[in-house]
Amino acid sequence: EAGVAQSPRYKIIEKRQSVAFWCNPISGHATLYWYQQILGQGPKLLIQFQNNGVVDDSQLPKDRFSAERLKGVDSTLKIQPAKLEDSAVYLCASSLEPGQGRSYNSPLHFGNGTRLTVT
Amino acid sequence: GQQVMQIPQYQHVQEGEDFTTYCNSSTTLSNIQWYKQRPGGHPVFLIQLVKSGEVKKQKRLTFQFGEAKKNSSLHITATQTTDVGTYFCAGKWKLSFGAGTTVTVRA
Repeated sequence: EAGVAQSPRYKIIEKRQSVAFWCNPISGHATLYWYQQILGQGPKLLIQFQNNGVVDDSQLPKDRFSAERLKGVDSTLKIQPAKLEDSAVYLCASSLEPGQGRSYNSPLHFGNGTRLTVT
Repeated sequence: GQQVMQIPQYQHVQEGEDFTTYCNSSTTLSNIQWYKQRPGGHPVFLIQLVKSGEVKKQKRLTFQFGEAKKNSSLHITATQTTDVGTYFCAGKWKLSFGAGTTVTVRA
């Protein structure tokens, strides 16, 4: 099966500029996640979608970050305006089944990520 | 909220030796997943543990879930250079990842 596709692979912007990332999950995966991974740290969940609805966005800095998954398939994550501390790898992941309400989770399949550098 | 802590943060291993990395949660976990991230790569799913005291093996890797379901361990025997990378555990709540154990191997 085709993996999770993300673009762009790299992005360099100046602070206060805007940037958008795109993700196309594995076909048929209901759940889509955006993670932020700062160098040397584990991935931090920003937002979780189930189909086109938001399940959890409690850790998304909503004053500057936004995300959508309008048709329940691909998704975009936007940062406006960017800050220096937003420099990180933004990982998109998808899973087959909803992550809540079960004693197990379907494995997450990650894309290659977008490495963002804010100068 | 749930926090997942991993120790050690770094593990330098002589090729051929064994080591263990630990994952501890502040709350009881319904399940735990382990991922491996190679340098420059993305996390790749290794295994999921669900039952109390569960032990699963993948070749030289042995994963264990604690009896109280608040901790887990990954034991690697006869470490090889292919084991280089960062190993993350992830708990169910917000699928929160620990900081990982970064493994380097001395040939």
